[in-house]
Amino acid sequence: GIQVEQSPPDLILQEGANSTLRCNFSDSVNNLQWFHQNPWGQLINLFYIPSGTKQNGRLSATTVATERYSLLYISSSQTTDSGVYFCAVVSGGYNKLIFGAGTRLAVHP
Amino acid sequence: DAGITQSPRYKITETGRQVTLMCHQTWSHSYMFWYRQDLGHGLRLIYYSAAADITDKGEVPDGYVVSRSKTENFPLTLESATRSQTSVYFCASRDSRQLALFFGPGTRLTVL
Repeated sequence: GIQVEQSPPDLILQEGANSTLRCNFSDSVNNLQWFHQNPWGQLINLFYIPSGTKQNGRLSATTVATERYSLLYISSSQTTDSGVYFCAVVSGGYNKLIFGAGTRLAVHP
Repeated sequence: DAGITQSPRYKITETGRQVTLMCHQTWSHSYMFWYRQDLGHGLRLIYYSAAADITDKGEVPDGYVVSRSKTENFPLTLESATRSQTSVYFCASRDSRQLALFFGPGTRLTVL
């Protein structure tokens, strides 16, 4: 089945710093999403981005489907950005969303 | 707008007991999903449903039963709970046309 790899596994930042999270996938996809799991466990959908670039405030994402990767950019990080960021792709149909292992981000004041 | 809710939020039960986790969404989304999240395994799909009375297995369906008699509800039943089913369970939903997935707050289940 499709493999989803995220890097780095862990990231520590000072408030105000910028960061880039990467998601590589082993096969072509038609559905890629980024999620943030906050320290209280809630999973929030950040982007549905099978290709191209999208921006939402300080966050933006780019997916280059032909090269099988996606990037999540966080600018001017805040302590509320802390948590785990997951990339997820669809394999074998529109219903089986496969998650990467996540990038754990800690933003310190 | 309540969105998607799960109950209970926390549950402790004993091995062999039947447990039902509830999921309710107010968006009229056609698709609903159950995931479990475990350290070392990430998020894994248990079951999903494309519409009322239509369900299908995900990656880890053994030991679980689902039903969907109404569009807004998607209960997950552990017929005879085992310790390996100790986990955090997330319900999720999406529209039939939009592929973005939205999660409920989760249920933390402990099986003693």
